[in-house]
Amino acid sequence: EAGVTQSPTHLIKTRGQQATLRCSPISGHTSVYWYQQALGLGLQFLLWYDEGEERNRGNFPPRFSGRQFPNYSSELNVNALELEDSALYLCASSLNRGSWSGYTFGSGTRLTVV
Amino acid sequence: EDQVTQSPEALRLQEGESSSLNCSYTVSGLRGLFWYRQDPGKGPEFLFTLYSAGEEKEKERLKATLTKKESFLHITAPKPEDSATYLCAVMDSSYKLIFGSGTRLLVRP
Repeated sequence: EAGVTQSPTHLIKTRGQQATLRCSPISGHTSVYWYQQALGLGLQFLLWYDEGEERNRGNFPPRFSGRQFPNYSSELNVNALELEDSALYLCASSLNRGSWSGYTFGSGTRLTVV
Repeated sequence: EDQVTQSPEALRLQEGESSSLNCSYTVSGLRGLFWYRQDPGKGPEFLFTLYSAGEEKEKERLKATLTKKESFLHITAPKPEDSATYLCAVMDSSYKLIFGSGTRLLVRP
């Protein structure tokens, strides 16, 4: 069974540009979660999508947005990039909300803003 | 405010030297406590879920326990391949996972 896949693996952008990160969940999983892991910090919750709808949002500015497609894959967009947006962005999926096995994470996209 | 605190931040052990990692939490409407392992440059890997005080789960050299306010991850006779960052997380009433900052474990041969 294929796991959660994220692309690209690495992304380098200039301050002020936009970044688009993509995530494909495990087949059959309908919930997709996005987390930011900045260097030396814990995982910070960004967004949760389930059945194509945004269900919850963390304490991040509106320039962090995303969507979930009919095939349950997801996209995270970060507009007007700032240097402090440099981090590992992790996507996770679960069978449904509150799955007892927690989330299955992808390997992440390393975003560097210069 | 929901919060997860892990200690110690870093732990160095000799191979075979058993120890415990701590995770204390404050959350309204706990739906479960989760332990993950994260290797450098990779996403977290699921280890255990605990739901109620008194519950215990085991996997190879790892054993997780849960009380009403904290969880412990006991590592028995660790090996160098157990070196990783161990993350604790709680699922709150809105089904969101809240993570602690992790414990970086280094096991020396």
